[in-house]
Amino acid sequence: AQSVTQLGSHVSVSEGALVLLRCNYSSSVPPYLFWYVQYPNQGLQLLLKYTSAATLVKGINGFEAEFKKSETSFHLTKPSAHMSDAAEYFCAVSEGFTGGGNKLTFGTGTQLKVEL
Amino acid sequence: EAGVTQFPSHSVIEKGQTVTLRCDPISGHDNLYWYRRVMGKEIKFLLHFVKESKQDESGMPNNRFLAERTGGTYSTLKVQPAELEDSGVYFCASSPEPPIAGGAGWNEQFFGPGTRLTVL
Repeated sequence: AQSVTQLGSHVSVSEGALVLLRCNYSSSVPPYLFWYVQYPNQGLQLLLKYTSAATLVKGINGFEAEFKKSETSFHLTKPSAHMSDAAEYFCAVSEGFTGGGNKLTFGTGTQLKVEL
Repeated sequence: EAGVTQFPSHSVIEKGQTVTLRCDPISGHDNLYWYRRVMGKEIKFLLHFVKESKQDESGMPNNRFLAERTGGTYSTLKVQPAELEDSGVYFCASSPEPPIAGGAGWNEQFFGPGTRLTVL
């Protein structure tokens, strides 16, 4: 079984400040981990992924995340927030095709607000 | 190339009525998934098609929900009769076949914009 916990349903940062969105997971097998972003009135877009290669993964729009097995964490960061980063962010875990048909288990989402 | 499309974008119905949601995956994607997000909660898996076959329907809430994927192309999700707790956003996603022979590995899922269902 797999699960995802996202701490903080709402996070507010100032433009130019560090963005840190937290994600912890549990999985019975080595996981694939993802961050998705949803902008208003749009579908989910893959931001970045961990698939057992480098533990520090870089995604689009300056975001990155670090896989820490010992902490079962996959926190999302961006050094400097931009107004356009305001969106809802979802952490997700998958056990791949052999572990469950590649289906995703999501966290509850974190709404990021960027203030001037 | 067109992405995943869903129709309608919004649907408002009364309790007891029937609603059918449609998803058109990316052409050539064998895997099609349905997910649902009830307000304030996480996005939850409903079911997974491989071509026209249901691979996993462990997330379907009850027998009021019926999913089909005729000919392995588009999929429909019918709710009959709808209840208040069925309100939420229904997402569809598609992905190519497994990248590794024998069905291992993973593939990116491409999501549609969702259908917002409101049951009054």
